[in-house]
Amino acid sequence: DIVMTQSPDSLAVSLGERATINCKSSQSVLYSSNNKNYLAWYQQKPGQPPKLLIYWASTRESGVPDRFSGSGSGTDFTLTISSLQAEDVAVYYCQQYYATPKTFGQGTRLEI
Amino acid sequence: EVQLVQSGAEVKKPGESLTISCKASGYSFTSYWIGWVRQMPGKGLEWMAIIHPGDFDTRYSPSLRGQVTISADRSVSTAYLQWSSLKASDTAMYYCARQNDGMDVWGQGTTVTVSS
Repeated sequence: DIVMTQSPDSLAVSLGERATINCKSSQSVLYSSNNKNYLAWYQQKPGQPPKLLIYWASTRESGVPDRFSGSGSGTDFTLTISSLQAEDVAVYYCQQYYATPKTFGQGTRLEI
Repeated sequence: EVQLVQSGAEVKKPGESLTISCKASGYSFTSYWIGWVRQMPGKGLEWMAIIHPGDFDTRYSPSLRGQVTISADRSVSTAYLQWSSLKASDTAMYYCARQNDGMDVWGQGTTVTVSS
């Protein structure tokens, strides 16, 4: 299995400040034939299902605010929230969909 | 509107069988994989298994193989997750989700509680 490790486990950021969450995979999730990273980011608020934010490591899902951005390639990835809003308080997960099982990171709790 | 609607909460005893469902609408059911994700109380997301309703190809997490069975019925655009003998450790929230570029559409979740 590909192991996904997020850091930090929890993070407190002031409103309007930048939040950065890291995700490392135990092997590359870059598919050489199409040069795409099979890495997604999700946001989960209490009592709700997860919501897809980013796919292909850096493509924002339709309707996701542009303060959310993803970067990285190979085994190291980052989710950045450029200016934290109150509604961004949630747990964030990365997931690789390069191989089965399509494993998730352990989650990062983001607080204000 | 593209949506996945899951069956309601279940309370079962250890050893009982259970099937929960996930009904798709608003898109071609046979064109996308559907996966199941477990979230145990207070814990993170765990990918369980996936099925392609077009050809019924299935993939399981090695850690869960043999513990659950996934299936789909194209006639009613519904995917299923089945247990033959529940354990207390199966207590969790279960989500279905469409596998696209990432899991882009999620069901609302089904809570399963297993307790004697």
